[in-house]
Amino acid sequence: GQQVMQIPQYQHVQEGEDFTTYCNSSTTLSNIQWYKQRPGGHPVFLIQLVKSGEVKKQKRLTFQFGEAKKNSSLHITATQTTDVGTYFCASGTGTYKYIFGTGTRLKVLA
Amino acid sequence: DGGITQSPKYLFRKEGQNVTLSCEQNLNHDAMYWYRQDPGQGLRLIYYSQIVNDFQKGDIAEGYSVSREKKESFPLTVTSAQKNPTAFYLCASGQGKTQPQHFGDGTRLSIL
Repeated sequence: GQQVMQIPQYQHVQEGEDFTTYCNSSTTLSNIQWYKQRPGGHPVFLIQLVKSGEVKKQKRLTFQFGEAKKNSSLHITATQTTDVGTYFCASGTGTYKYIFGTGTRLKVLA
Repeated sequence: DGGITQSPKYLFRKEGQNVTLSCEQNLNHDAMYWYRQDPGQGLRLIYYSQIVNDFQKGDIAEGYSVSREKKESFPLTVTSAQKNPTAFYLCASGQGKTQPQHFGDGTRLSIL
């Protein structure tokens, strides 16, 4: 079945450093979504990518969808303490079912 | 405010007992989902429903059951057959195959 690998599992950065998490699928994806979950909270939708090679930006966050639509990345420039949390990718299967990655837990040291 | 309401926030289960987790949404979404999250882990799909009176098993449906009698409601029952039920349970809803999912605040289930 379809699998989604997300790396790294954990990342500790100094405030102001950049951060990147990667999402890799064994199959071609119809679309990919990114979510953020704060400690003790629930996942909150950040963005969706649909097109091959698509790049979207939200302030300090840059999201990219691979040319082959099998991988995606989330890059945060100059991290802040408010960026702390776990970032998940969720791969679209072309149905209502989504496969979530295992997540990358980000800690930002002030 | 539109949103998803899960209750209770905390739940304790005795051995051999079935418990039901509530999930209600007023977003008028067709699809609803149940996920299980274990400490430090990702979200694993238990069941999902695309429309009223229809639902499909996810990746870890064994020991769980659901119903979808109303569009707004998608309760999850954790049966005694689920031998390791301690986890954080998240309900979500969405409208369409490529629309974002909106999550409730979750229910933390523990074994007594």
